[in-house]
Amino acid sequence: DGGITQSPKYLFRKEGQNVTLSCEQNLNHDAMYWYRQDPGQGLRLIYYSQIVNDFQKGDIAEGYSVSREKKESFPLTVTSAQKNPTAFYLCASSTRTGTDTQYFGPGTRLTVL
Amino acid sequence: DAKTTQPPSMDCAEGRAANLPCNHSTISGNEYVYWYRQIHSQGPQYIIHGLKNNETNEMASLIITEDRKSSTLILPHATLRDTAVYYCIVSRSGTSYGKLTFGQGTILTVHP
Repeated sequence: DGGITQSPKYLFRKEGQNVTLSCEQNLNHDAMYWYRQDPGQGLRLIYYSQIVNDFQKGDIAEGYSVSREKKESFPLTVTSAQKNPTAFYLCASSTRTGTDTQYFGPGTRLTVL
Repeated sequence: DAKTTQPPSMDCAEGRAANLPCNHSTISGNEYVYWYRQIHSQGPQYIIHGLKNNETNEMASLIITEDRKSSTLILPHATLRDTAVYYCIVSRSGTSYGKLTFGQGTILTVHP
């Protein structure tokens, strides 16, 4: 089945530790995105990548880092510099051109203790 | 991208049509209207999008006014599984590479 996978679904970390969230897609999409969602709020864009080895900051990139070494993978690292890391993290992908419909993964709920 | 305004919540009886409005009065000529929904604790799901004309697919219909300043998403026969947050988004397709801005959306509750 084609789609986007995120793992794990739930993640717990101690304050001050870096943590990397996984996102993999087999849709052959060029573009990939990371969003953050806080309770009762909409999604906010953290980083996006239009093509391999290229990525741009979104609206709330501080305290996060990404890499795009492979077309299929776009991991997100939540660093200790992120002041409020506890949130629901969503990964998405889309074709680079056309109507840019985004397809989302199931999300990872990160809790920092 | 243009800003959108949606009611915070709506109710609908199961089996009836759910009509979700969205205002986007500052939309420009090359901006599309997208609708997504998010069921609790899941990733958003694409529903439908349009530019000028009304659109229909297996999930819903999208009605865009002639001046394009507002639109309505119609779920023709709502079921309990349609209970979700519905997001109306305006985006310049093909130029912003899908950089979608999600607001707080409309919480649709379908009841028996």
